[in-house]
Amino acid sequence: GGIITQTPKFLIGQEGQKLTLKCQQNFNHDTMYWYRQDSGKGLRLIYYSITENDLQKGDLSEGYDASREKKSSFSLTVTSAQKNEMAVFLCASSIKGLSNERLFFGHGTKLSVL
Amino acid sequence: QQKVQQSPESLSVPEGGMASFNCTSSDRNFQYFWWYRQHSGEGPKALMSIFSDGDKKEGRFTAHLNKASLHVSLHIRDSQPSDSALYFCAASEPTDKVVFGTGTRLQVSP
Repeated sequence: GGIITQTPKFLIGQEGQKLTLKCQQNFNHDTMYWYRQDSGKGLRLIYYSITENDLQKGDLSEGYDASREKKSSFSLTVTSAQKNEMAVFLCASSIKGLSNERLFFGHGTKLSVL
Repeated sequence: QQKVQQSPESLSVPEGGMASFNCTSSDRNFQYFWWYRQHSGEGPKALMSIFSDGDKKEGRFTAHLNKASLHVSLHIRDSQPSDSALYFCAASEPTDKVVFGTGTRLQVSP
C-alpha cells in the first residue's frame, strides 16, 4: 500500500499573502491532483499533472499556481489569499489518470485566511 | 450548473438500518461512476465503482446504475455508527476528468 502526505495540516494566512501547500505520494502513480473542498459544494478540481513537469488547469485554477518537479510531489500555491477564505485543499493521485480509475486522497490542508 | 446532483443533503438512520443515497447526472456522456466516503478530518476514500447498468454488491454496500435515466444510487444495509460520514458520488466521461457531487452526510445513531 501507499500513502499521500499533505503538509501542513492547518494553514493560517493573511489577506494578500502567497501560501504554498505540499503533497507527497509513494504509490508511484503518474497522475496527481489538487482539489478544493468547500462546504456544500463538493470537490472542485484546481490543477492536475499527468507526469513530472506537466501541469493541466482544472475548473478552478484562477488564483492558483502548481508545480510538479518530481513524480512523487505536487505543490499548490495560493497566489494571493482572500480575506475570510476558508476551505480544505485535498491532494489526490491515480495510476495513469484514466477516467475510470479510482483516486487516492490525502487527509487535506485546512486553510483559514484572517 | 452542477453536473452531478446528490440527494438527500443529509440522512439519519438507526444502527442496523438501511441508508440510501441518490445521484443524478445531467451529462449523458458520463460512463464511469464511483462512490467515495469521507470521515471527518480525513480525505475521501473510494467505496466502489459501477460502470454497467444494474446492481453491484460488495458486502453491505450495493450500487445501482441506470444510464438511461442518468441515475446511480448506493444502499448500505445494517448501517453501523462507523458508517457515519460524508458520501460523494463521482462521474466521468471516457476522456475527461471526474466530476464530484456535493455530498450526502450520513449519521448512524446507536
